[in-house]
Amino acid sequence: ILNVEQSPQSLHVQEGDSTNFTCSFPSSNFYALHWYRWETAKSPEALFVMTLNGDEKKKGRISATLNTKEGYSYLYIKGSQPEDSATYLCAFYNTDKLIFGTGTRLQVFP
Amino acid sequence: NAGVTQTPKFQVLKTGQSMTLQCAQDMNHEYMSWYRQDPGMGLRLIHYSVGAGITDQGEVPNGYNVSRSTTEDFPLRLLSAAPSQTSVYFCASTRGGDGNTIYFGEGSWLTVV
Repeated sequence: ILNVEQSPQSLHVQEGDSTNFTCSFPSSNFYALHWYRWETAKSPEALFVMTLNGDEKKKGRISATLNTKEGYSYLYIKGSQPEDSATYLCAFYNTDKLIFGTGTRLQVFP
Repeated sequence: NAGVTQTPKFQVLKTGQSMTLQCAQDMNHEYMSWYRQDPGMGLRLIHYSVGAGITDQGEVPNGYNVSRSTTEDFPLRLLSAAPSQTSVYFCASTRGGDGNTIYFGEGSWLTVV
């Protein structure tokens, strides 16, 4: 059974704070690592798809890094805003299916 | 652009009833999948398909059937609904391969009483 773990489970920060979350995944048979942003009552929205060790991706204030040898990825949010409040999911692509972690629920207070 | 369309959005079933959640995509994607989302559990894969005529089981397949007769459609059938199947269901599709973004439907909220 493939295990994808995310930490922390939840996070409460003040507007303007920078924050980061971790996604751990099996380091063998790596194909890709996905990050999704998921707001309540909406469908998950893709942030990044990362395939190479050492990959760094950036979209606005959000960025992600990937270490496939040790099996982890970090998601960073710089200067958090209330609209960043959501659950952030990572997913490990194995052969032909995507296995999701349980997510990190972020709440940003004004 | 329609993308991934799921119906119905909300459904209440009695224990033992059967129903089908419909999923259609208009992006000519080979890969389609069904997930369920439960509190504290994230998204768990029920069944998936890598192309028309091919389906396979995910992490939690029991109580569900799927078929893939066309590239566009991937219905999920509950043959005899149980309260444990109360959940939010998401259909997803992708062109295939590891580096391709996955597109999700808007979700179907199912309650089994």
